[in-house]
Amino acid sequence: GQNIDQPTEMTATEGAIVQINCTYQTSGFNGLFWYQQHAGEAPTFLSYNVLDGLEEKGRFSSFLSRSKGYSYLLLKELQMKDSASYLCAVLDSNYQLIWGAGTKLIIKP
Amino acid sequence: NAGVTQTPKFRILKIGQSMTLQCTQDMNHNYMYWYRQDPGMGLKLIYYSVGAGITDKGEVPNGYNVSRSTTEDFPLRLELAAPSQTSVYFCASSYSPSGGVYEQFFGPGTRLTVL
Repeated sequence: GQNIDQPTEMTATEGAIVQINCTYQTSGFNGLFWYQQHAGEAPTFLSYNVLDGLEEKGRFSSFLSRSKGYSYLLLKELQMKDSASYLCAVLDSNYQLIWGAGTKLIIKP
Repeated sequence: NAGVTQTPKFRILKIGQSMTLQCTQDMNHNYMYWYRQDPGMGLKLIYYSVGAGITDKGEVPNGYNVSRSTTEDFPLRLELAAPSQTSVYFCASSYSPSGGVYEQFFGPGTRLTVL
């Protein structure tokens, strides 16, 4: 079966750095997405990785290792507005997105 | 551009009732999707469409129907509502030319309760 695993919840301090991990087992791989979802709102796109390595976009970076079935999202200089759920999703061989349950990130002052 | 819009925002249904969730996008995207999101769970794909006149089942299609008569609209029909259909429903769209992968844009969601 297809499976995506993320930690359920993480806590970090304002101004710090946090890494959210995602491991996956899917039928085929056509890329991995990270989305941010604030409580009660729709998911919004953060990043897309299809090749191994690190993609940096401002305070957010995303890393992919296809051989290990592993990705992480790195958030630097955390701000209170970063409190949200972070969803990992893999595009499978049928080009359908398989979603993890999301990691709820709590930022404390 | 309004992006992806959904109506209604909230709805309470009685068991056995039917309703249509509306979804419209103004980005001329060819792909459209319907997801449901239960508390603490990932998004589950209900149905998707690769263009007007073409629809296909996702992971959890039972109890739902869709149509895609235009590029802009992708309504989701619930027949004989059941408590198990209590969820948040998201419509999304993406531009997916052959050989390319693009992100999905989501509507604000419809919060449905079936009692």
